[in-house]
Amino acid sequence: NAGVTQTPKFRILKIGQSMTLQCTQDMNHNYMYWYRQDPGMGLKLIYYSVGAGITDKGEVPNGYNVSRSTTEDFPLRLELAAPSQTSVYFCASSNDRVREQYFGPGTRLTVT
Amino acid sequence: QKEVEQNSGPLSVPEGAIASLNCTYSDRVSQSFFWYRQYSGKSPELIMSIYSNGDKEDGRFTAQLNKASQYVSLLIRDSQPSDSATYLCAAPRLSGDKLIFGTGTRLQVFP
Repeated sequence: NAGVTQTPKFRILKIGQSMTLQCTQDMNHNYMYWYRQDPGMGLKLIYYSVGAGITDKGEVPNGYNVSRSTTEDFPLRLELAAPSQTSVYFCASSNDRVREQYFGPGTRLTVT
Repeated sequence: QKEVEQNSGPLSVPEGAIASLNCTYSDRVSQSFFWYRQYSGKSPELIMSIYSNGDKEDGRFTAQLNKASQYVSLLIRDSQPSDSATYLCAAPRLSGDKLIFGTGTRLQVFP
């Protein structure tokens, strides 16, 4: 099992550009999450999904969009990138919303 | 009170010592707890789960849950420099809608 994979590992965007961060898991987990982590700070939940076709906002959803067309994939879309979106983005999955989550390796994004 | 609280540290211990990391929680979280280790520049990695009162041991790691005092601890025996990382405590909210992560305690093990 590869677990949770994320691409790309690094990306530099210019202000106003858009991009999609990819996340795939092979554990057949229904629950998937997107977090951002700013330097020296804790994890902040952006969006989550409880199954294919069902998504919901977390604490900091503004400026992001998600979709969940399959159990395996949960892409995060950034529209009109802003410097405030410079962060490390982690995708995670779990087989239950109250159980442990497994994290991908992260995407380090810089917006300049 | 925050739902899950941790001292940010750093906690500095000499190599070979026992490192004790603590996490306190409020009545708003369910009593299942997860400890994650996060190396600088890496993603959180699950190292221990504990669901019931008492101790759970896994190698050099022991998780301790004290429901009466509302804290959960992670003990690392024979600490090594490679244990230097940030340790995150997490618990599900009672409402069941999400996992709450503490902000983490940075551990430094010096030779």
